[in-house]
Amino acid sequence: DVKVTQSSRYLVKRTGEKVFLECVQDMDHENMFWYRQDPGLGLRLIYFSYDVKMKEKGDIPEGYSVSREKKERFSLILESASTNQTSMYLCASLEEGPGYEQYFGPGTRLTVT
Amino acid sequence: DAKTTQPTSMDCAEGRAANLPCNHSTISGNEYVYWYRQIHSQGPQYIIHGLKNNETNEMASLIITEDRKSSTLILPHATLRDTAVYYCIVFGAAGNKLTFGGGTRVLVKP
Repeated sequence: DVKVTQSSRYLVKRTGEKVFLECVQDMDHENMFWYRQDPGLGLRLIYFSYDVKMKEKGDIPEGYSVSREKKERFSLILESASTNQTSMYLCASLEEGPGYEQYFGPGTRLTVT
Repeated sequence: DAKTTQPTSMDCAEGRAANLPCNHSTISGNEYVYWYRQIHSQGPQYIIHGLKNNETNEMASLIITEDRKSSTLILPHATLRDTAVYYCIVFGAAGNKLTFGGGTRVLVKP
């Protein structure tokens, strides 16, 4: 089974802290994604990466950065956490083929106080 | 990116078929239609995808219209565990950003 794992299920941080959310996939997928999910707003794409050291902005990249130093790991960084970044963060990886299947991690619920 | 529109919510009786519509009128020729669902507090789960032909797997069936501007996900015998938000997504080549719409909140009632 494909596994996409995220470093924490729940995280509480203070305003201004630097926050790292880690995502690891074990299926050698090229593409990885970070989304945030908020009530009433659905899943919104923050950043994605289609190769090591490559990254592309999604729909809401402001306040976030990412790092993809190894193929299996995609990190989301909040340089200075703010309360409006309290959310559920979901990582996903994408299998390439005739059709593409995207696999999601369990999510990290981040609370910024 | 092609956008999708889905009803906000729908109810379904347990044991009956649930038919979930999705409009994707701006879909381009190389874009697939995908369906995911998300049960509360879990990450989205892949259900099925298709390009032109109708598809069926152990979870559901996908009916795509001939002009590909809309599709319907069919859950043949809905159970209470099928209560979830169902997302219809269209995308094509790897590297494209994958965007989700609001989804349809399906409530299966006994």
